[in-house]
Amino acid sequence: GNSVTQMEGPVTLSEEAFLTINCTYTATGYPSLFWYVQYPGEGLQLLLKATKADDKGSNKGFEATYRKETTSFHLEKGSVQVSDSAVYFCALSDPNTGNQFYFGTGTSLTVIP
Amino acid sequence: DTGVSQDPRHKITKRGQNVTFRCDPISEHNRLYWYRQTLGQGPEFLTYFQNEAQLEKSRLLSDRFSAERPKGSFSTLEIQRTEQGDSAMYLCASSLGGQGSNYGYTFGSGTRLTVV
Repeated sequence: GNSVTQMEGPVTLSEEAFLTINCTYTATGYPSLFWYVQYPGEGLQLLLKATKADDKGSNKGFEATYRKETTSFHLEKGSVQVSDSAVYFCALSDPNTGNQFYFGTGTSLTVIP
Repeated sequence: DTGVSQDPRHKITKRGQNVTFRCDPISEHNRLYWYRQTLGQGPEFLTYFQNEAQLEKSRLLSDRFSAERPKGSFSTLEIQRTEQGDSAMYLCASSLGGQGSNYGYTFGSGTRLTVV
């Protein structure tokens, strides 16, 4: 079946530190992969995406590369800011129908000044 | 375009009562999705509509849950005889056709339900 596994949180970093949040997936076909971000009390916002192997998604300094050989889509940012504090969700779209997404459990990030 | 709107933002209800939530998708989006998110977990798929047709339902959607999208615009999600286990954030999302699978959904801010 389809599933997403994310690294356990919470993660606490100092401002300007390097961020990596690991994500691996299991899928029956060739999914599209996404990172969503959720700020306190809000819904999910699409952060970045990649639709095929070796694609790199990027947005707001965040990057993730679709690695088919390792079934991974790790999120990275070179220098985090306090405003990056949020919960980050890795997700894949159902490769057969595209009608539903499968989300990881989320990784909470807190950036301290 | 004001994005996906959900109402109410918060709902507290007593066990056994019925509740109804509303979602207004982005106007040109013909697909509408409902997800449930419990504390510390990622969202889980409940159901989706293409226009007014409900095309898929998760096994999470028990017979106490019903969703409608009568005119292919806004949608309602009703929970009858609420139980404490129904306490969660209910998220609505929309997309244009099947593009959501490649471009991602647009989510609303959610309705947080607390059953006491």
